[in-house]
Amino acid sequence: GAGVSQSPSNKVTEKGKDVELRCDPISGHTALYWYRQRLGQGLEFLIYFQGNSAPDKSGLPSDRFSAERTGESVSTLTIQRTQQEDSAVYLCASSYQGGRETQYFGPGTRLLVL
Amino acid sequence: EDQVTQSPEALRLQEGESSSLNCSYTVSGLRGLFWYRQDPGKGPEFLFTLYSAGEEKEKERLKATLTKKESFLHITAPKPEDSATYLCAVPEEGSNYKLTFGKGTLLTVNP
Repeated sequence: GAGVSQSPSNKVTEKGKDVELRCDPISGHTALYWYRQRLGQGLEFLIYFQGNSAPDKSGLPSDRFSAERTGESVSTLTIQRTQQEDSAVYLCASSYQGGRETQYFGPGTRLLVL
Repeated sequence: EDQVTQSPEALRLQEGESSSLNCSYTVSGLRGLFWYRQDPGKGPEFLFTLYSAGEEKEKERLKATLTKKESFLHITAPKPEDSATYLCAVPEEGSNYKLTFGKGTLLTVNP
């Protein structure tokens, strides 16, 4: 079946602009995760959605970052007033349920802030 | 302080030359250790999950093993298509789902 999809695949923006990144999880997966991968660094957890529970936003690096999820489907990660240090690959993952379930990743969105 | 450390950072092998990658972790009460493969420009691809010391899993030329403080990814008779960055991850302390990743080992297999 189809895997996790993300759009756009690449995004170039100017400092101070807002960007929206989209994630479509695997059908039937109730849990959805966002991670950030900066050059030379390990993936960093950003946010976790599980069903109708309140999301775990503990990994968001600042209040410029926010994310929403519609039911158990699409999620959008929004970065407001982008800064150059926001340049990274933003990866979305989903799992059948939360907890210790295996997380399956999408291809990522490569964000470059000029 | 890093909870997950991978070594070496980079490894070059000749085709057919077997070797091992290491992933050491400091979290207590391990709730699983995950291995992923990441090709350039792509997202991580799931390989294995290990949950308890002594557990082993195999897939083609790869075998993952787990002890109480580290995991090894053994690559037997690698081929050039095994070239990739291999990532390991564990749930951080107190969580089942917040994965902490190592920085990865970049494996290059020359023909």
